[in-house]
Amino acid sequence: GAGVSQSPSNKVTEKGKDVELRCDPISGHTALYWYRQSLGQGLEFLIYFQGNSAPDKSGLPSDRFSAERTGGSVSTLTIQRTQQEDSAVYLCASSLAGQGEPQHFGDGTRLSIL
Amino acid sequence: EDKVVQSPLSLVVHEGDTVTLNCSYEVTNFRSLLWYKQEKKAPTFLFMLTSSGIEKKSGRLSSILDKKELFSILNITATQTGDSAVYLCAVGPNSGGSNYKLTFGKGTLLTVNP
Repeated sequence: GAGVSQSPSNKVTEKGKDVELRCDPISGHTALYWYRQSLGQGLEFLIYFQGNSAPDKSGLPSDRFSAERTGGSVSTLTIQRTQQEDSAVYLCASSLAGQGEPQHFGDGTRLSIL
Repeated sequence: EDKVVQSPLSLVVHEGDTVTLNCSYEVTNFRSLLWYKQEKKAPTFLFMLTSSGIEKKSGRLSSILDKKELFSILNITATQTGDSAVYLCAVGPNSGGSNYKLTFGKGTLLTVNP
């Protein structure tokens, strides 16, 4: 597609429920990234995919967070047993592989935990 | 721990003014510094800087990097109301040639009044 596409754009759910966020990267981009942006905070790195593998999961805040990517394209970020502190905007980015390619972001999913 | 500090946190100017936004950083094994503009949703890529002293320019926007003093500036001349946004600075480490794990500052909120 023309840009990084994320869905849903907004998600409101009750504490304790599981949520799944989707990211469709720019066509041809082999690298994919998830970030979290909380109110008053900078973007926080969560996880990075090169193809279908995730060389660095170090940013995932707890074991309730997981992500996968299939077919070298679409990725899903899953948060289990959501907590109120999970409320944030979750941003996905993609880039071409190779040295120094800039990351291009989607519009994000605004997640609100009641 | 990698660190990016942006200043000022917010700035209000009138159309036609020139502004300078600052970004200082501490990062292990620096590779690149990136500037993004974030209006309502997706951060949009502006510049990527890897070499000291070489100005990058796009229209009324320009940016330069000083790797000795560990900072970058983003200049906007003849500001317009459409320049109102949060400007984000991020640094990427040199990790196996990939730019994946960007560390972001908290951003500068620029408001341009007519």
